[in-house]
Amino acid sequence: QVQLQESGPGLVKPSQTLSLTCTVSGDSISSGGYYWNWIRQHPGKGLEWIGYISDSGSPYYNPSLRSRLTISVDTSKNQFSLKLSSVTAADTAVYYCAREDYFGSGSYGMDVWGQGTTVTVSS
Amino acid sequence: SSELTQDPAVSVALGQTVRITCQGDSLRSYYASWYQQKPGQAPVLVIYGKNNRPSGIPDRFSGSSSGNTASLTITGAQAEDEGDYYCNSRDSSGNHLVVFGGGTKLTVL
Repeated sequence: QVQLQESGPGLVKPSQTLSLTCTVSGDSISSGGYYWNWIRQHPGKGLEWIGYISDSGSPYYNPSLRSRLTISVDTSKNQFSLKLSSVTAADTAVYYCAREDYFGSGSYGMDVWGQGTTVTVSS
Repeated sequence: SSELTQDPAVSVALGQTVRITCQGDSLRSYYASWYQQKPGQAPVLVIYGKNNRPSGIPDRFSGSSSGNTASLTITGAQAEDEGDYYCNSRDSSGNHLVVFGGGTKLTVL
């Protein structure tokens, strides 16, 4: 079955760029019809949508993060990535990648999630 | 609107029925999907669409929707159902964005 795995540094210094990669296994990221999402969860808090890249390669970002965020896809490696610049302690969180499917009639759902990776922003 | 509102906490007696609600303007245009999250684990999709369960999700979980409110119902709650529940949908602004509710902590007594 399809599996997602996040990878990247667990510690990032303030003002630097946080870079994470999500590797997709069990299916081709190019198979189409899916939206590849990043979600984060601050310690003890709820889920915050970061953004996604569509199967056509178009990115969509949370307006609150848009100025610092880039989401891209590398079909040759079956991966998609997140880059968040100028990080502060407020970006410390567990970061998840997730596949979102469209089931029709206005129904979407994130049916496959990575296990999450903890990123701490600290000097 | 880009907000989905959930009650912060709900409790249910073992074996009883509980409803968790999610309100937002986007739910007039899109169905909510529901996720269960247990401590230290990634969220798991439990309901999507009008009332659809992914494979492996027990049939005690069901969903419904009316107007701007979506509901997740657990009929005969089990101890293992304790955890946080989040709703989400697309934003109705037409900007293709995604929104999550703030989450509901379910305690099974």
